[in-house]
Amino acid sequence: DAGITQSPRYKITETGRQVTLMCHQTWSHSYMFWYRQDLGHGLRLIYYSAAADITDKGEVPDGYVVSRSKTENFPLTLESATRSQTSVYFCASSPIPPNYGYTFGSGTRLTVV
Amino acid sequence: DQQVKQNSPSLSVQEGRISILNCDYTNSMFDYFLWYKKYPAEGPTFLISISSIKDKNEDGRFTVFLNKSAKHLSLHIVPSQPGDSAVYFCAASEAYNQGGKLIFGQGTELSVKP
Repeated sequence: DAGITQSPRYKITETGRQVTLMCHQTWSHSYMFWYRQDLGHGLRLIYYSAAADITDKGEVPDGYVVSRSKTENFPLTLESATRSQTSVYFCASSPIPPNYGYTFGSGTRLTVV
Repeated sequence: DQQVKQNSPSLSVQEGRISILNCDYTNSMFDYFLWYKKYPAEGPTFLISISSIKDKNEDGRFTVFLNKSAKHLSLHIVPSQPGDSAVYFCAASEAYNQGGKLIFGQGTELSVKP
């Protein structure tokens, strides 16, 4: 299916565990982004990528790692999950931001217990 | 330090009336602004945008106004419909300096009553 897909949709993990959220897009968009949504904070940028093998930090990168070996995939890894990382995570892609806006995935709801 | 602020967490409007959602920003380098709409359990979807060289952009029932001197933008929905009930996020970008990455506000939940 064409579009941008995130997996899993829901995840519960324990404090200290490593967890990876997946993001896949089929448009070959150059730019990809990871945001987290929290009540009172809106959407905050974690990491972004302008192309394969090019990544950069956003507003709240601590505790997260990203990689982009292929244009279509942009996984986000929580190296040692903490309760403060309980959130809804959104991946987005864009051909030429911001003029064409972003297209967002449906999100992953992560709960760290 | 919140560079983009939506100070109204919620707004309730009667069907057929105008909805006005507001957004303020602090970074004078922002030169592109967007509004996104989000339904529960879905990702945000792009609604409308405006460049800093304009002060108004219209698309059907949706109009965005930009007041650069006040660092303020607003989204007008006329007439409002029950299907417009959603969370609305404004976003801003330094289009050419920061790779187009978007900074979002906290969101305003709009409820349109039949």
